[in-house]
Amino acid sequence: EIVLTQSPGTLSLSPGERATLSCRASQTVTYNFLAWYQQGPGQAPRLLIYGASSRATGVPDRFSGSGSGTDFTLTISRLEPEDFAVYYCHQYDSSPFTFGPGTKVDIK
Amino acid sequence: QVQLQESGPGLVKPSQTLSLTCTVSGGSISSGGYSWSWIRQHPGKGLEWMAYLSYSGRIFYNPSLKSRVAISVDTSTNQFSLKLSSVTAADTAVYYCARVPEPWGQGTLVTVSS
Repeated sequence: EIVLTQSPGTLSLSPGERATLSCRASQTVTYNFLAWYQQGPGQAPRLLIYGASSRATGVPDRFSGSGSGTDFTLTISRLEPEDFAVYYCHQYDSSPFTFGPGTKVDIK
Repeated sequence: QVQLQESGPGLVKPSQTLSLTCTVSGGSISSGGYSWSWIRQHPGKGLEWMAYLSYSGRIFYNPSLKSRVAISVDTSTNQFSLKLSSVTAADTAVYYCARVPEPWGQGTLVTVSS
């Protein structure tokens, strides 16, 4: 099983600041089948990034994904008020498919 | 634009079988080479992948649920389903259906209680 570890657990930042979220896999994620989701309170997760670095349709370009193998990063270049949420990474490369525990981005 | 909607009872008694259906609209469940999943989220917790059905018919289950969970598809109704047997209070969660990797349904809360 590929275990995903996200850091930090909580990121306290101000609007306009840059956010860097990390996702580390216990084994190589083949074909970069790694996605990032955003979840606001009471909402379903929303896909931001798939294939490690491809932005989903309608996702603002302030969101970017990078990385390969076992180390992946989600960067939000300038935080907007609606970006304060929980972010999950997810590998859909090998079963059992797994999610990271999440990083909460909250307002400083 | 494909949309997914979960349906099923919001309350299930302990030891019974939880049955949920995901209706896919805006596209055919059997075309496009897509795969389908069920994911759940316990109250205040993270996401837990439960089951996966590939476009080719391959099925995978979370090992922690393997003996209790089943996923199936009905192409005639454009739906896929989840069954989870012998439920306990620990199965109380919001259940999401999804096309891999998107879109997801809005989720449905299932409470296990007598």
